Parts: sequence; C-alpha cells; structure tokens
Amino acid sequence: SSVLTQPPSVSVAPGQTARISCEGDNFGSRPVHWYQQKPGQAPVLVLHDDSDRPSGIPERFSGSISGNTATLAISRVEAGDGADYYCQVWDGTTDHVLFGGGTKLTVL
Amino acid sequence: EVQLVQSGAEVKKVGESLKISCKGSGYDFSTYWIAWVRQVPGKGLEWLGIFYPGDSDVRYSLSLQGQVTISADKSINTAYLQWSSLKASDSAIYYCARHINWGDGYFDSWGQGTLVTVSS
Repeated sequence: SSVLTQPPSVSVAPGQTARISCEGDNFGSRPVHWYQQKPGQAPVLVLHDDSDRPSGIPERFSGSISGNTATLAISRVEAGDGADYYCQVWDGTTDHVLFGGGTKLTVL
Repeated sequence: EVQLVQSGAEVKKVGESLKISCKGSGYDFSTYWIAWVRQVPGKGLEWLGIFYPGDSDVRYSLSLQGQVTISADKSINTAYLQWSSLKASDSAIYYCARHINWGDGYFDSWGQGTLVTVSS
C-alpha cells in the first residue's frame, strides 16, 4: 500500500521560513492537503488541493509539488505556528484516505 | 457556521460495546461524506472509514474492517462509530470530520474529538 513520509521534526527560528515535506509514491495528479494540529486540539485544514488556503488561513502558508514530494512552506514563522502538521491524499488504488506520519514544527 | 459536536469521553472495559456520536449542524448533513479518524495520544492520524448519509454508502479502512461499524441517522444529523467488543488497543481519541469531494477531497471541519479509554 502507499505511504506518505514526513520528517518527524522541523525546527525554525521566528521570522524564518519553515518547509515541511511529504513524500509519496502515488501523487501523480492526486491533490495533497495539509492539516495543523496544536496540542489538545482537533486538526485544522491549512491547505487543500496542493496550495489553496481556506478562509482564515494566513497567506504565510503556501504549498507546492515537485515530483513525488509535496511541501508546506510557512513564511515569517511565528511562535503560534508551532504544532504538528499532517499531509493527506486519497489513494485511488485502495479507495483509502492516507495521512502522513506528521511533522512536529518547533519554533526556536 | 459548520459544526460537528461529538459525544463525551468514555471509559469502558475490554469486551464491552460502545457507540459514539457526531452531530452536524450549519449545513445539509445528507449531502456531505463524514469520516472517522483515530489518534492514539502522541501518535499520528489514522483514517477509519467514511459514510455518506444521503444513500448510506460506507467505506472502511481495510485494516479496520469488521472491527467497527460506521452509520448515521440523517433525520437527526448524527453520525456514529460503534464497537461490539472493545479491545485495549481501541483506546484513542476519535474524531469525526466532514469530507469535501470524496476521492481527491479533504476534511474541512472536524469534531472536537472523543477520548475512548478501554481497560482490562
């Protein structure tokens, strides 16, 4: 079955740009979606369809795809951006929703 | 405003049955897929399955099939996740989430989560 691989952790200083990768073997034309989860809270959608931001999500959040790797970029990182981030796709072969293992973003 | 409100925390024993709920409001409940996602505290997200209240279509994760049942009552805008015989390994936080565009879609609204603790 398909797997989405994320780095367990990423650290960045305030004001810098954080980049979180998500590697998969079945992206092709499949869109990638990203969620932010803060401790004790439910996940929140921050990007859908590779790079579209839902209402209320700052422009600092952006997304891109290159080959088999999707990347969530957070520019001008703030302390409040510290959270776990998950990528998600649909596996058309198994008709399953897949989540990446999650990346803990630490703002130094 | 779209809202998903889940039932409260549960403490059960191995072998007991359980049914948790997720009530939707602020949208046409029948026309959106609703999914269940599991998270063991400190671990990642795991998709369990999804239900379409409009025609009762249901899909399960192959790894969970037969272990849980997903259903909904569209007359009261409520989705359910149930177990007939709980295991200790079922201890986790369970989220319901509204899914946009089954297939390549995404989860745009989430419930607050229901903590299920199963002890022996």
